[in-house]
Amino acid sequence: DAGVTQSPTHLIKTRGQQVTLRCSPKSGHDTVSWYQQALGQGPQFIFQYYEEEERQRGNFPDRFSGHQFPNYSSELNVNALLLGDSALYLCASSPGEQAFSGANVLTFGAGSRLTVL
Amino acid sequence: GQNIDQPTEMTATEGAIVQINCTYQTSGFNGLFWYQQHAGEAPTFLSYNVLDGLEEKGRFSSFLSRSKGYSYLLLKELQMKDSASYLCAAMDSNYQLIWGAGTKLIIKP
Repeated sequence: DAGVTQSPTHLIKTRGQQVTLRCSPKSGHDTVSWYQQALGQGPQFIFQYYEEEERQRGNFPDRFSGHQFPNYSSELNVNALLLGDSALYLCASSPGEQAFSGANVLTFGAGSRLTVL
Repeated sequence: GQNIDQPTEMTATEGAIVQINCTYQTSGFNGLFWYQQHAGEAPTFLSYNVLDGLEEKGRFSSFLSRSKGYSYLLLKELQMKDSASYLCAAMDSNYQLIWGAGTKLIIKP
């Protein structure tokens, strides 16, 4: 059973460019959350998608946007890249019925490492 | 504000026991999670506590005191493969996880 898969694994962009990151959730999971993890820091919540809608959002600017497709896969888009956007971007999935309860165990992908020059 | 505190780095010896502490302040509380993250890899779930007390799972145990806003992860019979970062995360009233910066655990032979 494939877990959460993310692509690309590594990418380099320059300031001002735009990037799209992709995520396929674990089989049976329909909720996808995106996190930004700077080096030496814990993950910071960006947003969560369920039933193709953004359900919750963290403290990130509108340059960060996303989408969820009918097959539950998701994309994270970042516009007008800044040097500070350099980080590991993690996608995590969970079953919908669990996503809004306390015992919400997330399954993470290995992440997409973005470097902005 | 919401905040999670845990030590930045700890060192322990193979075969020994280590306790990683975590204190939290959140708007509401719906549980405390511990995840393990090896360098360059995805975080993987270790434990979840919502009630006070100790939860034991093999070599790993996790403790929670809600009144003190405190948790710890106890690792016994340390193995070299336990070298990793250990992330503490508290779930707030909106069921969102607030993460600590992680504790890098170094195991020495």
